[in-house]
Amino acid sequence: KAGVTQTPRYLIKTRGQQVTLSCSPISGHRSVSWYQQTPGQGLQFLFEYFSETQRNKGNFPGRFSGRQFSNSRSEMNVSTLELGDSALYLCASSYQAGAGTREQYFGPGTRLTVT
Amino acid sequence: AQKVTQAQTEISVVEKEDVTLDCVYETRDTTYYLFWYKQPPSGELVFLIRRNSFDEQNEISGRYSWNFQKSTSSFNFTITASQVVDSAVYFCALSETATSGTYKYIFGTGTRLKVLA
Repeated sequence: KAGVTQTPRYLIKTRGQQVTLSCSPISGHRSVSWYQQTPGQGLQFLFEYFSETQRNKGNFPGRFSGRQFSNSRSEMNVSTLELGDSALYLCASSYQAGAGTREQYFGPGTRLTVT
Repeated sequence: AQKVTQAQTEISVVEKEDVTLDCVYETRDTTYYLFWYKQPPSGELVFLIRRNSFDEQNEISGRYSWNFQKSTSSFNFTITASQVVDSAVYFCALSETATSGTYKYIFGTGTRLKVLA
């Protein structure tokens, strides 16, 4: 089975711009979660989608949004980028909902740099 | 609030040594889940183990073993006969219950393990 794929792998944006990151889960997995990893804050949960519905959301401002499509692929959008949004954004998939209680399979991440 | 503490920021060992990574957690939930993940330099987290709060049996998988003790709220991870390929950052995670009744991971800050040849 192919693993979780994320595109693009690297991205450089300027403050104030917006960005969209994409994630394709493992075939058959319907839950997709997003995480932000920074040296200062560590790994933090952004949100989880299951069957095109947001099931859970972390403590991030409204500039961070996401969606899931009928084929389980997910996108994450960050608007009005700030320097502090520079991070590794990781996507993870699992077969069922309730990702917080289950093993998750992670993609390689998208490294976002905001200048 | 739930919390995961990995007090060891970085550990260096020589190949073939045994090493234990500590994980201490805080939770008010009676049902909860604990996890260990490995993050190699390539970036993706790799699932190692999941344990629920009612299963206190220790587990061994090859050179890896886990010691879960509810009495001390710890879920420690031991690598026996470490190898250079074990070099990575290891994260312990706990399921946190949201007010909506859903769960999310709370990660520890990670322990960077360096295995020297």
